[in-house]
Amino acid sequence: GQQLNQSPQSMFIQEGEDVSMNCTSSSIFNTWLWYKQEPGEGPVLLIALYKAGELTSNGRLTAQFGITRKDSFLNISASIPSDVGIYFCAGHTESGAGSYQLTFGKGTKLSVIP
Amino acid sequence: DGGITQSPKYLFRKEGQNVTLSCEQNLNHDAMYWYRQDPGQGLRLIYYSQIVNDFQKGDIAEGYSVSREKKESFPLTVTSAQKNPTAFYLCASSMGTYRDTQYFGPGTRLTVL
Repeated sequence: GQQLNQSPQSMFIQEGEDVSMNCTSSSIFNTWLWYKQEPGEGPVLLIALYKAGELTSNGRLTAQFGITRKDSFLNISASIPSDVGIYFCAGHTESGAGSYQLTFGKGTKLSVIP
Repeated sequence: DGGITQSPKYLFRKEGQNVTLSCEQNLNHDAMYWYRQDPGQGLRLIYYSQIVNDFQKGDIAEGYSVSREKKESFPLTVTSAQKNPTAFYLCASSMGTYRDTQYFGPGTRLTVL
């Protein structure tokens, strides 16, 4: 199946620092989604991207759909302790048969040091 | 309050027993999904259903079964044929349109003793 390479696997940052993480694939994606998961809970949608080059913000979060349609990044500005969690990228590939299925990255675990 | 509910939150079972995980949504979504999550791993699709009375196998369907008799409900049965069932199970739903967004429930943690 399709694979998404998400990096870094984990990050330790100081409160107030900016964070950047990304997802890449060898395949073209039609949608990029970014989710956050807190321990013992289900993922919560943060940002959805639908067009190549699209740049979307949600508060301190900004995500971009790469122009090649094979990558996406998520930035978090001025991190705070409640940003702790695992951030997953996900996307829909181009084929019609797969359009209902999401492919997920393995996640970036973010730890914020107060 | 619209959303997806999963029950129970924690579930323990003995080896050799079947167990059913509940998933209900009141979002009027057509499509529903079951994922399995293991530590340090992404989400792997078990089964999905795009419409009532129809469902499709995902990437890791062996040892699992589902039904979709009602639009709101998509229960997952973990059978004794599943060799390594201890995991975190997530249910999701979506409108069922092309490239739509999936929304997740809170999850059920299944532990086999």
